[in-house]
Amino acid sequence: KAGVTQTPRYLIKTRGQQVTLSCSPISGHRSVSWYQQTPGQGLQFLFEYFSETQRNKGNFPGRFSGRQFSNSRSEMNVSTLELGDSALYLCASSPLRFMRQNTGELFFGEGSRLTVL
Amino acid sequence: TQLLEQSPQFLSIQEGENLTVYCNSSSVFSSLQWYRQEPGEGPVLLVTVVTGGEVKKLKRLTFQFGDARKDSSLHITAAQPGDTGLYLCAENNAGNMLTFGGGTRLMVKP
Repeated sequence: KAGVTQTPRYLIKTRGQQVTLSCSPISGHRSVSWYQQTPGQGLQFLFEYFSETQRNKGNFPGRFSGRQFSNSRSEMNVSTLELGDSALYLCASSPLRFMRQNTGELFFGEGSRLTVL
Repeated sequence: TQLLEQSPQFLSIQEGENLTVYCNSSSVFSSLQWYRQEPGEGPVLLVTVVTGGEVKKLKRLTFQFGDARKDSSLHITAAQPGDTGLYLCAENNAGNMLTFGGGTRLMVKP
């Protein structure tokens, strides 16, 4: 069973540019969530999509956005890039989501490492 | 959303030594997950603990959930170089929204 696939794995952008990252979840998984990982802030939740709708959003500016397609694939976009956006962006998928606390497992991809110069 | 504090931040030990890492919060956890992240990869779930006082074992790894469900620990016996990585505790809030601790970066030297 193929895992979560993220593309591209590495990319370099300059300040002010925009970037789009892609995530293909495990087949049959309908929930896709995105996380940002930096040395200073650690792993932080960006947003979660389920059935093509954003269900949760973390504390990030509006420059960070995303979407989910009917096949559950997801993209996230960061506009007007800043140096502080340099990070590893991780996508995770899950077959289900629950309205209450969830003990289910999230399956993470290897991430897209973004460097902003 | 509660804050999860992990300690120590860094740990460098020799192969064969034992170690314990901790995850604490001022609030009660509904449940807690431990993940391990190896360089160049995403986090992988090791265990989920739900009940206060619960102890789970995964080969040489022992996970404990505090009686009051405000703390958890991970103990590794006879560490091996393959245990090297970033150990993260996380609470899975509603809707697959994980809140992570800062992590413990473990290096096991041969």
